[in-house]
Amino acid sequence: GAVVSQHPSWVICKSGTSVKIECRSLDFQATTMFWYRQFPKQSLMLMATSNEGSKATYEQGVEKDKFLINHASLTLSTLTVTSAHPEDSSFYICSARRGLNTEAFFGQGTRLTVV
Amino acid sequence: AQSVTQLGSHVSVSEGALVLLRCNYSSSVPPYLFWYVQYPNQGLQLLLKYTSAATLVKGINGFEAEFKKSETSFHLTKPSAHMSDAAEYFCAVTTDTGRRALTFGSGTRLQVQP
Repeated sequence: GAVVSQHPSWVICKSGTSVKIECRSLDFQATTMFWYRQFPKQSLMLMATSNEGSKATYEQGVEKDKFLINHASLTLSTLTVTSAHPEDSSFYICSARRGLNTEAFFGQGTRLTVV
Repeated sequence: AQSVTQLGSHVSVSEGALVLLRCNYSSSVPPYLFWYVQYPNQGLQLLLKYTSAATLVKGINGFEAEFKKSETSFHLTKPSAHMSDAAEYFCAVTTDTGRRALTFGSGTRLQVQP
């Protein structure tokens, strides 16, 4: 089956610093990757859609300058939380779709805690 | 635009009892529907999906769901609950075969009592 690997699984950072989260499709090429944010006991909210080789498309209300997304290759997308603040603490999950296949494969998520 | 509504944020059943998790969707075009399970601090695992083929879809771990267009529903069922089924379940919808993200419901936490 298709595997999406997310790294790190958890990270603690100081307020004001930046954190990079990686999302890799290990055994398939993902032309499109998605980044979600999940608050405790809540559903997944789409942050942005990342297409290889082009700028990400952000959902309304998501600050593109704060959440930098790069999709430099068909197997790697990164999310950088810049100048992190405690309110950015959340569970971030990426997913990737394999071409025209309707199934989305999810990474294991990254728990970000900003102190 | 599409959306899903999951009725019941918490469902509690006894081990061995029927599991029924409800999902209703809204879509102006034929939808693709999914059920995912999430264990604490983990990503999502696909249970099953409806992609306009058979309306009764069988998934992993004994789960199944039936697509009912007239009721705009895609309820998840399992005949006999197991303790290991305790988790958060999400219904999701998309209307695109590849490039559009999934829209998730609010989730239902399933508790299984011994």
